[in-house]
Amino acid sequence: NAGVMQNPRHLVRRRGQEARLRCSPMKGHSHVYWYRQLPEEGLKFMVYLQKENIIDESGMPKERFSAEFPKEGPSILRIQQVVRGDSAAYFCASSPLDREGEKLFFGSGTQLSVL
Amino acid sequence: LAKTTQPISMDSYEGQEVNITCSHNNIATNDYITWYQQFPSQGPRFIIQGYKTKVTNEVASLFIPADRKSSTLSLPRVSLSDTAVYYCLVEGGGADGLTFGKGTHLIIQP
Repeated sequence: NAGVMQNPRHLVRRRGQEARLRCSPMKGHSHVYWYRQLPEEGLKFMVYLQKENIIDESGMPKERFSAEFPKEGPSILRIQQVVRGDSAAYFCASSPLDREGEKLFFGSGTQLSVL
Repeated sequence: LAKTTQPISMDSYEGQEVNITCSHNNIATNDYITWYQQFPSQGPRFIIQGYKTKVTNEVASLFIPADRKSSTLSLPRVSLSDTAVYYCLVEGGGADGLTFGKGTHLIIQP
């Protein structure tokens, strides 16, 4: 029973390049959440998706960032034209259809480093 | 306006009981209280969840007073491996993301 899978574990990009972060939720989970965490800080909510729908993207920067959760395949967080300030750990979480209370299951994260 | 307030950091020693209190004065009727633990370079891990009174599992206990405006996570007989950041969340399962605060950095010493 695999948990939430994120890849890559580490991603290095130069300024101006694109970063694609992938998240496969736990089996049977249809809700996906993306969070960003800067060193020594808490998790900052970015976006909440269900299959093929963005439910809440209030935490997502208006430019350069996008997220999707297609009918088939993993959820993708895409950052275009990365800048040094995008360097952070990006965590994905999933929850079941009924969101039994508020229990989230997190992946191990992707550490993005922008040179 | 922050939904929860926790101490920024706490220290304790191996074998002691540690209690971390979270204030949530604006908790809504349909809100649950959930605690997560995060180690460096890892995603948060669910510890315990409750709605009212007391909940206990193999890892911790959660105490919630009748007014539900606060909650206390109790870790019995802590060890060095309990050094981590602990987050308290209050959410009602609506169509919105879950908001994490900065958490409590718990440091356990020998």
